[in-house]
Amino acid sequence: GQQVMQIPQYQHVQEGEDFTTYCNSSTTLSNIQWYKQRPGGHPVFLIQLVKSGEVKKQKRLTFQFGEAKKNSSLHITATQTTDVGTYFCAGPRNTDKLIFGTGTRLQVFP
Amino acid sequence: DSGVTQTPKHLITATGQRVTLRCSPRSGDLSVYWYQQSLDQGLQFLIQYYNGEERAKGNILERFSAQQFPDLHSELNLSSLELGDSALYFCASSLQVGTGGETQYFGPGTRLLVL
Repeated sequence: GQQVMQIPQYQHVQEGEDFTTYCNSSTTLSNIQWYKQRPGGHPVFLIQLVKSGEVKKQKRLTFQFGEAKKNSSLHITATQTTDVGTYFCAGPRNTDKLIFGTGTRLQVFP
Repeated sequence: DSGVTQTPKHLITATGQRVTLRCSPRSGDLSVYWYQQSLDQGLQFLIQYYNGEERAKGNILERFSAQQFPDLHSELNLSSLELGDSALYFCASSLQVGTGGETQYFGPGTRLLVL
């Protein structure tokens, strides 16, 4: 079945360092969504990418959708302790539901 | 605050028991999704309802069932509980049928502990 994998599974960084998580799908996606889950919290929608090669920015966060629409990345510049959490990508399976990636847990040390 | 509410927040029960988790979607949202998140695990899609009807099924066990009522709230019933059912159960909602392109808004979750 369709799988969405993310790497790395865990990432520990010093505050101020950059961070990137990569999302790879076994099938072409019509769109990709990114969610963030803070420790003890629930997933919160960050952004959706639709077009091949699309790049979107939210302050220190940069999201990319691959040309083949099978992969995506999230890059955080100069991490802060508020960036701590698990970042999930999610892509639609068929037309009915989202398949969430395995997630990347980010820990930021001050 | 996403606008999605879930009750109860915490639930402790024993093996073999049955529990019901409740979810109220955001005002106006017609689709409800249920997810299971075990410790340090990802989000496992269980089931989706749209406007009262089952729309999509994921890795939902036969011991689990769900329904969506006319007022659009949903309930997830878990029976013959096992230790391995201990997890966070999230409900999410979206505006329409969930064609894969819609944002999902998650509730705060119900933490289930089976002893």
